[in-house]
Amino acid sequence: DIQMTQSPSTLSVSVGDRVTISCRASESIDGWLAWFQQKPGKAPKLLIYEASSLASGVPSRFSGSGSGTEFTLTISSLQPDDFATYYCQQYNGYSLPFGGGTKVEIK
Amino acid sequence: QVHLVQSGPEVKKPGASVKVSCQASGYIFTDYAISWVRQAPGQGLEWLGWFSAYSGHTNFVRKLLGRVTLTADTSTSTAYMELTSLRFDDTAVYYCARIREPDTEGRCNAITCYPGDHWGQGTLVTVSS
Repeated sequence: DIQMTQSPSTLSVSVGDRVTISCRASESIDGWLAWFQQKPGKAPKLLIYEASSLASGVPSRFSGSGSGTEFTLTISSLQPDDFATYYCQQYNGYSLPFGGGTKVEIK
Repeated sequence: QVHLVQSGPEVKKPGASVKVSCQASGYIFTDYAISWVRQAPGQGLEWLGWFSAYSGHTNFVRKLLGRVTLTADTSTSTAYMELTSLRFDDTAVYYCARIREPDTEGRCNAITCYPGDHWGQGTLVTVSS
C-alpha cells in the first residue's frame, strides 16, 4: 500500500509569512494528490486537487506543486484564517491514504 | 446545493456494532462514490474505505477487513458504514465525503478520480464500557 509522509508536523509562523508544507508518497502517484485544510471540530475542506488545481472558492494565496512522489503546498502570505491543520491525500487507485498532517500555529 | 447529512452521535459498548448513515442531496447520487474517513481524538485523518452506488464496487483498508461493511440505498440517496466488534480505539468522529472513484481497473483520468469536495458534518462514535 502507498504511504504518505508529511513534513513538518508542526509549523510556528506569523501572519504574512510564506508557508511551505511537503508531502511524499512511497511510490509514484503521478499528480493524483489533494490537499485539505481542517479546523478544530470541523470537517476537512478541499483546497487543491490534481496536485496543483485550486478547488472552487479557495483563495489564490494557496498553491500546490509536484508530481510523482514529491509534492508541496504553499501559502504565499499567511492570513489569520489560515491557522489550521493541513493534510495531503493520494487518490491514485483504490486506496486513498492521508498524510499525518501539518499543524500551522501562531508563533 | 450539495449536502451530506450524517446520523447522530452513538455510544456503544466494546464488541457491539454501529451503523452510521450519510444522506446525500443536491446531486445525482449514483454519479459519485462515498468515502468514509475517521479521526480519533487529537489524531489525524484515517481513510477507511469507499462505496460506489453506481457500480456497487467497494474498497477499504486492510486493517478493517471482516469488521466493516459499506453499503448504499439509492432510493433514499443514503450511504451506510457499519462497523462490528467495536473496540475502544474505534472511538472517533466518522466522516463521509463525496468522491469519484477510479475506473474498473483502478486507473485515474480526467473523468474518474476526484477527492472529497463535499463532506458530512461528522458522527461521533464513542466506545465505552
